[in-house]
Amino acid sequence: AAGVIQSPRHLIKEKRETATLKCYPIPRHDTVYWYQQGPGQDPQFLISFYEKMQSDKGSIPDRFSAQQFSDYHSELNMSSLELGDSALYFCASSSTEPATNEKLFFGSGTQLSVL
Amino acid sequence: DAKTTQPTSMDCAEGRAANLPCNHSTISGNEYVYWYRQIHSQGPQYIIHGLKNNETNEMASLIITEDRKSSTLILPHATLRDTAVYYCIVPLGLGAQKLVFGQGTRLTINP
Repeated sequence: AAGVIQSPRHLIKEKRETATLKCYPIPRHDTVYWYQQGPGQDPQFLISFYEKMQSDKGSIPDRFSAQQFSDYHSELNMSSLELGDSALYFCASSSTEPATNEKLFFGSGTQLSVL
Repeated sequence: DAKTTQPTSMDCAEGRAANLPCNHSTISGNEYVYWYRQIHSQGPQYIIHGLKNNETNEMASLIITEDRKSSTLILPHATLRDTAVYYCIVPLGLGAQKLVFGQGTRLTINP
């Protein structure tokens, strides 16, 4: 079965550079979530989208932005990168609108290293 | 999200049942209990969820107490591949969608 696809798998950037992470949800999934997991930490919710509209927002820095496109894939744009942005970034998708009880499927993540 | 409390770590022998407890004393009547696990640096994986009845699937069983203030995830025959961090999550309100990960239980399966 198709899973959530994230690209790239690994990304190395310098401080103050920009990065774009991509997420392709499972086919027919219309909701996408982004999580950030720092070294030794638990995943932290960043932002979510349902039907191309932002549905919830967590601890996402102002330097980050995200959107969901008409084909339901999502991109997380990160500017003015800082050393502390080094983390695993996970995308998850689900097949029903928010505020319903449905499980999330996670991708393998993008490992971002800021040097 | 309703607060959950889990042991920081647990050990279990391979082939034995692993029983992972979770306290969620502030849970409200329409909130589900979800379990996910994360094997080292992989994306979290859904295991099971329930409201008030016990649930079983191909991965695990979920036992929820009658007052719903605690639950236990049971892996009936643990294998080395079950070594992971296990998260018990009670999302706020009707939606399971935005999962807030707290401190989970680091389960180590020993040969």
